[in-house]
Amino acid sequence: DTAVSQTPKYLVTQMGNDKSIKCEQNLGHDTMYWYKQDSKKFLKIMFSYNNKELIINETVPNRFSPKSPDKAHLNLHINSLELGDSAVYFCASSRGGRTQYFGPGTRLTVL
Amino acid sequence: AQSVTQLDSQVPVFEEAPVELRCNYSSSVSVYLFWYVQYPNQGLQLLLKYLSGSTLVKGINGFEAEFNKSQTSFHLRKPSVHISDTAEYFCAVSDQSGNEKLTFGTGTRLTIIP
Repeated sequence: DTAVSQTPKYLVTQMGNDKSIKCEQNLGHDTMYWYKQDSKKFLKIMFSYNNKELIINETVPNRFSPKSPDKAHLNLHINSLELGDSAVYFCASSRGGRTQYFGPGTRLTVL
Repeated sequence: AQSVTQLDSQVPVFEEAPVELRCNYSSSVSVYLFWYVQYPNQGLQLLLKYLSGSTLVKGINGFEAEFNKSQTSFHLRKPSVHISDTAEYFCAVSDQSGNEKLTFGTGTRLTIIP
């Protein structure tokens, strides 16, 4: 059984387009996160939601908008995609904020 | 705010040899410590964690790490590596004060030489 899943796994799109990445966890966790891994493999937190409430927003451009319809889902919508948005985006979840479990990642390529 | 330093960006090791991947952190508050592994073109898998208690923690695949508060270190070790251990290894910290984000190091690429 997949614990944290993301769709799609690969996303190739043109500059200026709008796209969404979906994340679902079946672990019963109350907190979900989005991280960005750049081309040098550096990982950085973008957002965190606890019980559908935004608790971390790390200086991310407002073209990025997370949405949490319920505790098990955290989607990431990106408007007006730019070349610099090309990266691997990871979703993660935790219970009580201690140990985070990651999804398989979504590789976004902006042409 | 926390920071994590992984001193070695690449570590080549012969198969069946021991390995140590170094991790040092900086924080003004108490922290939780983690090691994650990323196999080629895959997601992040939790190797081991230190939350409290014994400073020597054991993880999956024969890895262990020791928390040293005085040296602010959390080095990862394995006594005998295998080809399948080839991967990128990330050290990460989160503070115990309620801010739950993970701060990652820049990663160490472990390459096993047959």
